[in-house]
Amino acid sequence: QVQLQESGPGLVKPSQTLSLTCTVSGGSISSGSYYWSWIRQPAGKGLEWIGRIYTSGSTNYNPSLKSRVTISVDTSKNQFSLKLSSVTAADTAVYYCARDGQWLALDYWGQGTLVTVSS
Amino acid sequence: QSVLTQPPSVSGAPGQRVTISCTGSSSNIGAGYDVHWYQQLPGTAPKLLIYGNSNRPSGVPDRFSGSKSGTSASLAITGLQAEDEADYYCQSYDSSLSGLFGGGTKLTVL
Repeated sequence: QVQLQESGPGLVKPSQTLSLTCTVSGGSISSGSYYWSWIRQPAGKGLEWIGRIYTSGSTNYNPSLKSRVTISVDTSKNQFSLKLSSVTAADTAVYYCARDGQWLALDYWGQGTLVTVSS
Repeated sequence: QSVLTQPPSVSGAPGQRVTISCTGSSSNIGAGYDVHWYQQLPGTAPKLLIYGNSNRPSGVPDRFSGSKSGTSASLAITGLQAEDEADYYCQSYDSSLSGLFGGGTKLTVL
């Protein structure tokens, strides 16, 4: 059973870079034809797709965030990561990592981690 | 404002049938991209409910079904139960392979 777990600072100062890591267990991140995604959800609001990475390193990003987002993968650690630069209070949200499985549906999700942007 | 449009809320009595719509455009759903549906219970991560427009993952009751036609998709829930009270989201992609979510629909079981 694949499991995903987000980790990283829960508090980031405005203008700094938010960095999160998703650790995958129960299977190799490089096995199978999967994308690995990041999604976020501000409190009381809907889901926002941030971007995804294939194990080859190929990425797709949300156009509205593209200039600030970098997603990378470390197959040796079975992890993939999110960096979001120049954060503001609007970036405060629960951040989820997930696997794009069959039909590119998000079939496995992490529990989510709250990141607050505040000085 | 989401590219995929869902009604903010729907409601139904136990045992009834409800449907949730997801309206896109010729740039996403209408271009042939699949629609997936997720259920999010309060305080938890979303859970995949329907994938590839109409397929149910193992363990999802057959009370849940999905369909797609043209630029829209729908999620139907029959035999409504109290435990179905949750937020529901549709998801698809656009031509740049950027993921899209609907704004979400809150289901209230009366």
